[in-house]
Amino acid sequence: GQQLNQSPQSMFIQEGEDVSMNCTSSSIFNTWLWYKQDPGEGPVLLIALYKAGELTSNGRLTAQFGITRKDSFLNISASIPSDVGIYFCAGQHNAGNMLTFGGGTRLMVKP
Amino acid sequence: NAGVTQTPKFQVLKTGQSMTLQCAQDMNHNSMYWYRQDPGMGLRLIYYSASEGTTDKGEVPNGYNVSRLNKREFSLRLESAAPSQTSVYFCASSEFRVNTEAFFGQGTRLTVV
Repeated sequence: GQQLNQSPQSMFIQEGEDVSMNCTSSSIFNTWLWYKQDPGEGPVLLIALYKAGELTSNGRLTAQFGITRKDSFLNISASIPSDVGIYFCAGQHNAGNMLTFGGGTRLMVKP
Repeated sequence: NAGVTQTPKFQVLKTGQSMTLQCAQDMNHNSMYWYRQDPGMGLRLIYYSASEGTTDKGEVPNGYNVSRLNKREFSLRLESAAPSQTSVYFCASSEFRVNTEAFFGQGTRLTVV
């Protein structure tokens, strides 16, 4: 069954605000990925993390691989309306293992 | 560059009917996957094919079969559809067997009545 707890489940924010979401696991992952899914589309990879403690940015997005290897965080700065969508974390235990996905965080941005 | 293409985009089936979901990728990826997405459940792996000629069960394989037709194509078959199989189905591919950085299709929304 699902091993990743993603929070919050949904967020409704004002345009321009910063956003934080996270994923936690009861087991260690060696890779963390963050995806975004627009309505009616498939998930698109945003950021990939491969090392504990790693902090990686992609434009206004920043993700961190937690030191304990059991969590990861995604921050979005200065949100804009096109940030609306569902954000998924995904973890991989080891190379060759399958990805485990979190339940998603639904982000809504009010202009 | 089309990436991962799924057909159909929408389908309504009656309980007991069969159908095949088609998936093709043009990125020369070795590995391909079928996921289902249900509200609040994230994506769950149904079957995967690490390389041409091989297929393996994922987390929720019951009620499904797959065929890796060639390197480009990976199909998912429902032999006798059930209402519990109402879901959005995504095909994905990745360059390496490790499944990292998978690219997803646009999804097939299936309703079984």
